[in-house]
Amino acid sequence: GAGVSQSPRYKVAKRGQDVALRCDPISGHVSLFWYQQALGQGPEFLTYFQNEAQLDKSGLPSDRFFAERPEGSVSTLKIQRTQQEDSAVYLCASSLVVVGGAYNEQFFGPGTRLTVL
Amino acid sequence: GDSVTQMEGPVTLSEEAFLTINCTYTATGYPSLFWYVQYPGEGLQLLLKATKADDKGSNKGFEATYRKETTSFHLEKGSVQVSDSAVYFCALRFTGNQFYFGTGTSLTVIP
Repeated sequence: GAGVSQSPRYKVAKRGQDVALRCDPISGHVSLFWYQQALGQGPEFLTYFQNEAQLDKSGLPSDRFFAERPEGSVSTLKIQRTQQEDSAVYLCASSLVVVGGAYNEQFFGPGTRLTVL
Repeated sequence: GDSVTQMEGPVTLSEEAFLTINCTYTATGYPSLFWYVQYPGEGLQLLLKATKADDKGSNKGFEATYRKETTSFHLEKGSVQVSDSAVYFCALRFTGNQFYFGTGTSLTVIP
């Protein structure tokens, strides 16, 4: 596809349910990022992959959050035992590659809006 | 730690008015600075960037200058259009790949 896609676009979960959010990055993009955007706030970094390697997961708010990218392309963000405070838009972004600190633009998907009741 | 503070909205302007959205940052070092825009129903898009002090980023009539002395990166446009209605995010990238975003400023331009 032409851009980053995410599914589902909207997800409603009951408290305590597990959810899985999918991200399809731009073909050929090595780097993939997940962000959490609470209502009225800017995106906050969750985790970063380079190919299938998760190089930074310092932003994951708890051990209920888990991300994977087993084949270095599609990524899934899983949230176990969802809580109301997990309600947010989850954004995925991809970029070509970061080499020696050189910047490559991050292209964002439309996000998945998660509502936990 | 590193952070970004941007002007709260919402901002409502008439078409052809002058726009300024303030952004200041706190960082230990010399980050790269960005403005992203989010149009209704769409993902974040890079609007412009500046990677070092005194650099000016520009795109689609928008400009922002990296001011180290005031730690600012204010977004300006001389004449806004209805199509500029969106949410604007200031962001910095210091080391690695992590971005720090401001809270966003909603802009509505009325004809």
